[in-house]
Amino acid sequence: GAVVSQHPSRVICKSGTSVKIECRSLDFQATTMFWYRQFPKQSLMLMATSNEGSKATYEQGVEKDKFLINHASLTLSTLTVTSAHPEDSSFYICSAKAGRSYEQYFGPGTRLTVT
Amino acid sequence: GQNIDQPTEMTATEGAIVQINCTYQTSGFNGLFWYQQHAGEAPTFLSYNVLDGLEEKGRFSSFLSRSKGYSYLLLKELQMKDSASYLCAVRDNYGQNFVFGPGTRLSVLP
Repeated sequence: GAVVSQHPSRVICKSGTSVKIECRSLDFQATTMFWYRQFPKQSLMLMATSNEGSKATYEQGVEKDKFLINHASLTLSTLTVTSAHPEDSSFYICSAKAGRSYEQYFGPGTRLTVT
Repeated sequence: GQNIDQPTEMTATEGAIVQINCTYQTSGFNGLFWYQQHAGEAPTFLSYNVLDGLEEKGRFSSFLSRSKGYSYLLLKELQMKDSASYLCAVRDNYGQNFVFGPGTRLSVLP
């Protein structure tokens, strides 16, 4: 089956610093990647959708200058949380889908803690 | 707007059958998905419905009624490892965006 990896799995950073999270599709070409955020005991909230080679589409309320998304190739998307604050602490999950496929494959998630 | 409802929590006994309901009101519809998510892990795909009716896959079945904006996930022969959150998600008309419901936390008791 399709595999999506994320790196790092856990990261702790200080307030004011930036953190980059990578999402890779290992055995398929991901034309579309999604970034989600999940707070404890809550469901997934879509942050943005990115198509390879074009700018990401952000959901309402998500600051595009704070959450920088780059989808430079068909197998890699990155999410950079800039000037992180404690309220950005969350579980960040990416998913990827190929072409017109209906299914999206989730990465294992990255737990970000901002101190 | 987009709105998906699920019960917050459910409890069932090992070996029993449980039905988790999902109702949705979305601006478009191009398929409904069910995912299982264990605490601290990413969701895993369970089922997909785009036409009305029942889809069966082993111990798991999912039903869809598009006219009623309603789906359910049926879990049979419950096992302790089925304790998890179950997420209902709807894909919009353009096939790009997935809207997730709040999730249902299922606890399976011995």
